[in-house]
Parts: sequence; C-alpha cells; structure tokens
Amino acid sequence: DAGITQSPRHKVTETGTPVTLRCHQTENHRYMYWYRQDPGHGLRLIHYSYGVKDTDKGEVSDGYSVSRSKTEDFLLTLESATSSQTSVYFCAISLTSGSYEQYFGPGTRLTVT
Amino acid sequence: GQQLNQSPQSMFIQEGEDVSMNCTSSSIFNTWLWYKQEPGEGPVLLIALYKAGELTSNGRLTAQFGITRKDSFLNISASIPSDVGIYFCAGQVQGAQKLVFGQGTRLTINP
Repeated sequence: DAGITQSPRHKVTETGTPVTLRCHQTENHRYMYWYRQDPGHGLRLIHYSYGVKDTDKGEVSDGYSVSRSKTEDFLLTLESATSSQTSVYFCAISLTSGSYEQYFGPGTRLTVT
Repeated sequence: GQQLNQSPQSMFIQEGEDVSMNCTSSSIFNTWLWYKQEPGEGPVLLIALYKAGELTSNGRLTAQFGITRKDSFLNISASIPSDVGIYFCAGQVQGAQKLVFGQGTRLTINP
C-alpha cells in the first residue's frame, strides 16, 4: 500500500464548471502522476510532478492544469469541464527517483453532463 | 508519441487453462511493467522487468523482457477465477521518469 488517496471518488458536474481533483500521499514520494482511463485507450498521462512546484505535461494535457504546493498533495484542475473529459482519473506515485515502478490510487470517476 | 500495442484485446478461457499475452512497440524501452486492474480499482503492479532477456515469475505469473527491448510477454498458468481482470503492460520512456501503457487485455474465465 503506497498510502495514496484520491478525492472525491465520484463526481458529476455540468459542462463549463471548474473541477479540482485531489491526490494525497502520506509517504513523501517525489514523483506523482495524473492519468485518465477511457475504454480502448488504456491509461494516458495528463501531467506529472517531480517535486514541489515542479510539473510537466503528459500526452493529453490540453484542458487540464496541475499544482503541487506541498509534497503530499497533487491537484488536477479542469478549468472549464467538457463532456470529453468524462473519464476515470488515477493518481500514481513512484517510490524513489530512478524507480520506474508506479503505484496507483483508487481513482475518481468524473462525469461531465 | 510512443505507443504500445497489446494483444489480444480480450480473452475468454476455461478455468485451468494457461494464458499468454504480449506487448510490442516500435521504440526501445529500458523497463517493462505488467499491471492488473479489477473493476472499480486502480491498477496493481504484478511484475517489473529491467533487463533484456529477463524472465521473472510471481506465483503463477511469468513475464519476459524481449531481447530486442521492443516487446514483453506475460503468461498465466493454470488460470483461476480470481485472475479475471484487465492486464496492462507499460514501458518506461527512455530518459524520462514516466511510463506509456498498452490498451489492456481483458481476461474472462468460464468456471
């Protein structure tokens, strides 16, 4: 158990509203990741962080922003949610720098109506 | 971007049968990982492979890192009902602390 929690676990929101998803870890891991999972696409990287205030884009970053002001929290924000952002969102961590094994949280199911 | 092609997309087997699935890429990877995901949960790491040609087992699961470094294989022996789920391969992007994932193989087992 890598000590990862995600909140909320489920959310329904309307098109055009802002949404923030939170990933929280308890063990001071440096690397944190946000993925989305859609049928037929596997897991696709949205953004990742390699330290406080250090973030970078993944392959599907358009429409998303992230922030990491504390080691333990990595926030994913949809500034103006669209129906195409309906998905299951997973947070992951790497235990140590140079370790490519990633461990996942339980996920957040987001529906944009 | 880099892509992983995972096959088959789905498998329907009888309990007790062996299972094989694979992942291929046009790019070289330095690390291959295999995950399993059950409904409503996040993926769980099963096996990590770090060297070309490496063969690693975890109980009834065996995974191999292809010698070309462009493919990997996962075998499950003597399948049981709790093996049901979606299996994902992942490769480490060279020079980066991030992974790219295959599309998954959905395994269904008839008792």
